[in-house]
Amino acid sequence: DAKTTQPTSMDCAEGRAANLPCNHSTISGNEYVYWYRQIHSQGPQYIIHGLKNNETNEMASLIITEDRKSSTLILPHATLRDTAVYYCIVRVARSDKLIFGTGTRLQVFP
Amino acid sequence: NAGVMQNPRHLVRRRGQEARLRCSPMKGHSHVYWYRQLPEEGLKFMVYLQKENIIDESGMPKERFSAEFPKEGPSILRIQQVVRGDSAAYFCASSPATGGGYTFGSGTRLTVV
Repeated sequence: DAKTTQPTSMDCAEGRAANLPCNHSTISGNEYVYWYRQIHSQGPQYIIHGLKNNETNEMASLIITEDRKSSTLILPHATLRDTAVYYCIVRVARSDKLIFGTGTRLQVFP
Repeated sequence: NAGVMQNPRHLVRRRGQEARLRCSPMKGHSHVYWYRQLPEEGLKFMVYLQKENIIDESGMPKERFSAEFPKEGPSILRIQQVVRGDSAAYFCASSPATGGGYTFGSGTRLTVV
């Protein structure tokens, strides 16, 4: 079973920041937080991952709380093309599989 | 550098027939993973393979399903005697090493009629 809890759906206005929360209260010290998204019915797309420090790349930022029990994915300037289901996943380092939950359906509106 | 290639994109089979789904990993990737996604659900892990070896098949149904990743050629997910409940999207992913970044293919949509 997935070890994460996410809201079922969220809305965001185009051009604004989208902040997607994720709870992972049972995360272990050697588990990373990964974010993927799935646009329509395409294959999931990797966004970002982190262990305990905040991370940023060209797509998004990942903020992990100090106790690591929750995190937030930030899309700084959402566009209509960011409409997708976003999955937050905890993954043991060097493990073989990803355990997907039901994710958050983000709808970006004009 | 081509991504993970899956074919066919869409596959229709009658109940009782066999379905063969193919996955060619990214160049340089020797690890392949198969996932299944039922309508309105998240992806479920099925099997993890390296060349000529099944590493983890904990998510594979015990009957009718098999997977291989031969030394040469694509990985194959085979479903024998398909039933309506096998209708789903099947995604393949590849990585260069265990625990490395995954790249997913576009999936094969199997419809059993």
